[in-house]
Amino acid sequence: QKEVEQNSGPLSVPEGAIASLNCTYSDRGSQSFFWYRQYSGKSPELIMSIYSNGDKEDGRFTAQLNKASQYVSLLIRDSQPSDSATYLCAGTNAGNNRKLIWGLGTSLAVNP
Amino acid sequence: GAGVSQSPRYKVAKRGQDVALRCDPISGHVSLFWYQQALGQGPEFLTYFQNEAQLDKSGLPSDRFFAERPEGSVSTLKIQRTQQEDSAVYLCASSPRTGSYYEQYFGPGTRLTVT
Repeated sequence: QKEVEQNSGPLSVPEGAIASLNCTYSDRGSQSFFWYRQYSGKSPELIMSIYSNGDKEDGRFTAQLNKASQYVSLLIRDSQPSDSATYLCAGTNAGNNRKLIWGLGTSLAVNP
Repeated sequence: GAGVSQSPRYKVAKRGQDVALRCDPISGHVSLFWYQQALGQGPEFLTYFQNEAQLDKSGLPSDRFFAERPEGSVSTLKIQRTQQEDSAVYLCASSPRTGSYYEQYFGPGTRLTVT
């Protein structure tokens, strides 16, 4: 069973701190990875995509991918209360390019 | 431009009723995905369309679930003889390219409650 695993949290950080969200995956053939933010009662919203090893930065967000370790992370700098949400990690399925494999999400709470 | 839209946003059905959920993807998006999301879970893949072709329906839970995208744009997910276990949020996502390698953009979802 191919899986994407995330710590369910809740992860609690003070406002202004760096929040670090982690994800591991079992499918060595996975090529593309995505971080989605989901507010309670809302649909997932794309935050970052990453396709190659290394770091990718977009504003306060940095995604990191390490294919050798099968590890993806999302760093949120200068965390704001508005960042409080569930963060979903998803990766492509090497055996079927039509579906993503989703983690269960990590709940993040940024405290003012 | 306009994002993905879904209707209705909320649907209450009595057990045994048929329901139809509509998805209007971003204009020009080739790929369309349907997902089912239960509370506290990640989205579960249901089916995938590339234009009008349904290339993967491996996630549909039973033959009571049926999806179509006849003109390669709007899609409808139909659930026949609804059961309580069908209660969930149904999400539609579209993508400008084929397959799941690229970003997907989600609609607001339809919350289905079967009583």
